[in-house]
Amino acid sequence: QSVLTQPPSVSGAPGQRVTISCTGSNSNIGAGYDVHWYQQLPGTAPKLLIYVNSNRPSGVPDRFSGSKSGTSASLAITGLQAEDEADYYCQSYDISLSAVVFGGGTKLTVL
Amino acid sequence: QVQLQESGPGLVKPSQTLSLTCTVSGGSISSDGYYWIWIRQHPGKGLEWIGYIYYSGSTYYNPSLKSRISLSVDTSKNQFSLKLRSATAADTAVYYCARGLTSVDIPMDIDYWGQGTLVSVSS
Repeated sequence: QSVLTQPPSVSGAPGQRVTISCTGSNSNIGAGYDVHWYQQLPGTAPKLLIYVNSNRPSGVPDRFSGSKSGTSASLAITGLQAEDEADYYCQSYDISLSAVVFGGGTKLTVL
Repeated sequence: QVQLQESGPGLVKPSQTLSLTCTVSGGSISSDGYYWIWIRQHPGKGLEWIGYIYYSGSTYYNPSLKSRISLSVDTSKNQFSLKLRSATAADTAVYYCARGLTSVDIPMDIDYWGQGTLVSVSS
């Protein structure tokens, strides 16, 4: 059972917009700790996609955006492309566990 | 460009110790502002943090693994290592080493990852 809750799967057609939620609690996201997102393409290591809630590392397309509110965060992908098909993970810090925490991951399928 | 590379046996016998080393290149493991983390991924499953260490030697372990793991850092070799004792088949996974940034001693995003190494625990 992951500390951060993500939907197991989402899907969308090419060109569409999808969002992936990441729900935490008052000891992590709700306590003000930042959320980061990772993309894991099949057979590869995760790659940082969004850091500190809404910032994109160099090279990440602006089709990817992040937001945070209350005890939750969201990753939005617009203009969906086949190459976006991957697993997506959120990550934050939990003060009561004194630990890095991950979401369980969301598999994005591009129809 | 920072690079991390895991090394160690790909096959470990049950009850033995799983030992992995991560070699960091392109940056110093002694630099302030970073933490060095081990993460594993069971086949077809999500990411599980194992533990992380600061160059000073301060360590933080996943409570579910705490009794069996130890992390260390060797600044002279720019490496950090993981030891997982009493390995079982449930420890079979891809193990990643990675670098994370800190802000006021709080672990933040993980910006560089190793490619991962599959470790199987089997007789």
